[in-house]
Amino acid sequence: GAVVSQHPSWVICKSGTSVKIECRSLDFQATTMFWYRQFPKQSLMLMATSNEGSKATYEQGVEKDKFLINHASLTLSTLTVTSAHPEDSSFYICSASGREGLGYEQYFGPGTRLTVT
Amino acid sequence: GNSVTQMEGPVTLSEEAFLTINCTYTATGYPSLFWYVQYPGEGLQLLLKATKADDKGSNKGFEATYRKETTSFHLEKGSVQVSDSAVYFCALLTGSNYKLTFGKGTLLTVNP
Repeated sequence: GAVVSQHPSWVICKSGTSVKIECRSLDFQATTMFWYRQFPKQSLMLMATSNEGSKATYEQGVEKDKFLINHASLTLSTLTVTSAHPEDSSFYICSASGREGLGYEQYFGPGTRLTVT
Repeated sequence: GNSVTQMEGPVTLSEEAFLTINCTYTATGYPSLFWYVQYPGEGLQLLLKATKADDKGSNKGFEATYRKETTSFHLEKGSVQVSDSAVYFCALLTGSNYKLTFGKGTLLTVNP
């Protein structure tokens, strides 16, 4: 149980285009989803927290207009990287936590490798 | 604020060696503690957890005990395998905002 998927698993896009990454909780309802960014050989950096039906809360230093997050349902959150540039190339990981009973643990997706050329 | 400090790697061991990865934390309140493992090119998998003092989390031969007096949660395994090669992250979660705080990760390489 508590499986989280991400799509796509990897994507290459040209500079200036936008890319959407999906995060789905497959077998539970995710009241909260988290988006992380991971640079090579580094730890995870929390970008934002999103609760279903409300606006995402961004961490300090994360551009909300560049990284658009939508959490429209209890099983789906999306991260859109707008006007991507090479410096946005990274590994993006989402996680989801559910209602009481799942103990507020975060269940992680497999990650999406974004390369901007 | 909350923070997690784990031993810096990389750690290189021979198969069947004993593993310890140290992790200490600073937190307000009573955190839950976690070890996550990340295999190359993949996301994070929960390895084990402990939610209160003196709890021992265990999974796949790995163990860690929640030590409140030393604010530690060291990861141990008695006999590592090549397949244990991965990056290990120590993390804590507090009830105040349910955000995970991660350590910087420790790369473990196990040679045959």
